[in-house]
Amino acid sequence: DVKVTQSSRYLVKRTGEKVFLECVQDMDHENMFWYRQDPGLGLRLIYFSYDVKMKEKGDIPEGYSVSREKKERFSLILESASTNQTSMYLCASSSHGATNEKLFFGSGTQLSVL
Amino acid sequence: GQNIDQPTEMTATEGAIVQINCTYQTSGFNGLFWYQQHAGEAPTFLSYNVLDGLEEKGRFSSFLSRSKGYSYLLLKELQMKDSASYLCALLDTGFQKLVFGTGTRLLVSP
Repeated sequence: DVKVTQSSRYLVKRTGEKVFLECVQDMDHENMFWYRQDPGLGLRLIYFSYDVKMKEKGDIPEGYSVSREKKERFSLILESASTNQTSMYLCASSSHGATNEKLFFGSGTQLSVL
Repeated sequence: GQNIDQPTEMTATEGAIVQINCTYQTSGFNGLFWYQQHAGEAPTFLSYNVLDGLEEKGRFSSFLSRSKGYSYLLLKELQMKDSASYLCALLDTGFQKLVFGTGTRLLVSP
């Protein structure tokens, strides 16, 4: 089975801190994604990557950056955390060229910014 | 852009059938997905429609009509464990990214 692992299940940070959220997948997937999920707003795409060192902005990239130095790892960076970035963050991966391109999700990181 | 609408919440009784609708407005998409998400857990894949018509998978079926901008997820023989959120998502024609609706929270009661 595909496994997408997010480094932390819960994280508490202070306003202004630099925050790293790590995601690793073990199925050699080309595509990786970072979403945030908020009540009433659903899942919104922050950034995605379809190859090593490649990145594309999603729908809400402001305040975030990403890094994909290795195929299996996709990191989300909050340069200066703010309270409105308190959210559930979900990493996902998929295989390029698969018949249905379905996403496999990690368990999520609940980030609280105080 | 894409606009995806789902009812916010639905309730149903154990053993019953429920239909969760998803309407969308988009300039184009490659396929439509349904995901299930239990509270506090990650979404898991349920079904995928590319062509118009019905896709059946056990107790779950999904239907797509591209001309009507409409899909539904049909759950039969409801069980308590089906209480979850159901997410409709469109696969973008460009970069293989999924755009999600806000989800429908289904509560199954005894």
